[in-house]
Parts: sequence; C-alpha cells; structure tokens
Amino acid sequence: GNSVTQMEGPVTLSEEAFLTINCTYTATGYPSLFWYVQYPGEGLQLLLKATKADDKGSNKGFEATYRKETTSFHLEKGSVQVSDSAVYFCALSPLEIGGGFKTIFGAGTRLFVKA
Amino acid sequence: DAMVIQNPRYQVTQFGKPVTLSCSQTLNHNVMYWYQQKSSQAPKLLFHYYDKDFNNEADTPDNFQSRRPNTSFCFLDIRSPGLGDAAMYLCATSRGLAVQYFGPGTRLTVL
Repeated sequence: GNSVTQMEGPVTLSEEAFLTINCTYTATGYPSLFWYVQYPGEGLQLLLKATKADDKGSNKGFEATYRKETTSFHLEKGSVQVSDSAVYFCALSPLEIGGGFKTIFGAGTRLFVKA
Repeated sequence: DAMVIQNPRYQVTQFGKPVTLSCSQTLNHNVMYWYQQKSSQAPKLLFHYYDKDFNNEADTPDNFQSRRPNTSFCFLDIRSPGLGDAAMYLCATSRGLAVQYFGPGTRLTVL
C-alpha cells in the first residue's frame, strides 16, 4: 500500500543552521509529493509540492526534490530562523479511482529553532 | 481573505452531548474533507465529499457523521462524543485532484 516515512523528531537547531528532514515513500504509480507545515494552534499550510520525478519544489527558502530512484522527498533549508519552528509533514497523493484523492501523511517532524 | 473557515476555533462539550463543527470555504472547491488530528500525530482522514458524493473511510466510527448542504459548507456531527474524541478537527478543500487547502482547525475538548 501507499505510505510515507519521515524522520522522527524533535529536531533542534540553532538559528542559521542547515536543515534536512528526511522523507521516503512507498506508492504505486506516480504520486504527487508535498510538504505541509503546521504552526502551533493552526491548520496545515502547503509549503511546497512536486508532481513528477526530478521536479524540485521550493518556497520560503525550503526545497525538496522528487527522487523516484530512491523514493525520497527530503526537505532542506540552508539557514533556518526561529520563525521556522513548527511541525513539518511529508505527504503523498496517489490517484484514486472515482475522483477525489486520499492524501497520505507522514507522522510529522517537530522542528525547534533556537536563537 | 480567509479561504477555509472553521467555527468555532475551540469547542467544549460534555461526554455524550452531540456537537457540530462547521466549515465553510470561499474557494468554490468541489471536494471537502474532514480530518481528526490528535496531539503530535498526523491528520487522519474521516471522510470527504466529492461534489455531493459522500466517501467514508472504512475505519471512521459511526459516531461521526457529515453533511454538506451546498458547495460552500460542510458540517461534522459527533453524535455522542467520548473522551477519546478530544482532538483537533481539520477541514480541507480541493478542486478535484489538486492540492488541499486547510482551515485553522477546531480544537474539541470533551469533559
């Protein structure tokens, strides 16, 4: 079946450090891949997405590349800020017969950034 | 400016007392979803509407129901809340097979 595995947190970094959050997936076919971010007390916001192999999604200094050969979609940022402290969810959406689709979420990785 | 609106943001109910959570959207999206999210966990899909078609997840308890009277609104009804139903409830919308947009969530407390 379809699944997403992401690194366990929490991840604690100092401001301006380099961030990597690993994400690997299992899916049939060619899913779209997403990173969502959830700030405390809020809903999920789409951070970036990639819809086919070798696509790179980017937003707000974050990047992730869709690697079909390694079934990975790791999230990276060159220099984190305190305001990046949040929970990050990797997700995939396979096509589903009948319309609509079910997004499969990873367990989430909590990031703390210290000043 | 808000695109997916959830009311209330915080809801307190008593054990066994029915409660309704509300979601509205200004995006004119044809798909609406309800998720349950417990602390430090991924959101769990309860059900979704594709237009007027209701799609229930196999493991969603019968205690949870939903209504979608029109394109803009969708309700989550919990008929007899238990302590285990305390969670954040997230509404999301999409246009067909596309990115989901989430509301801010309603945090439900069951006393």
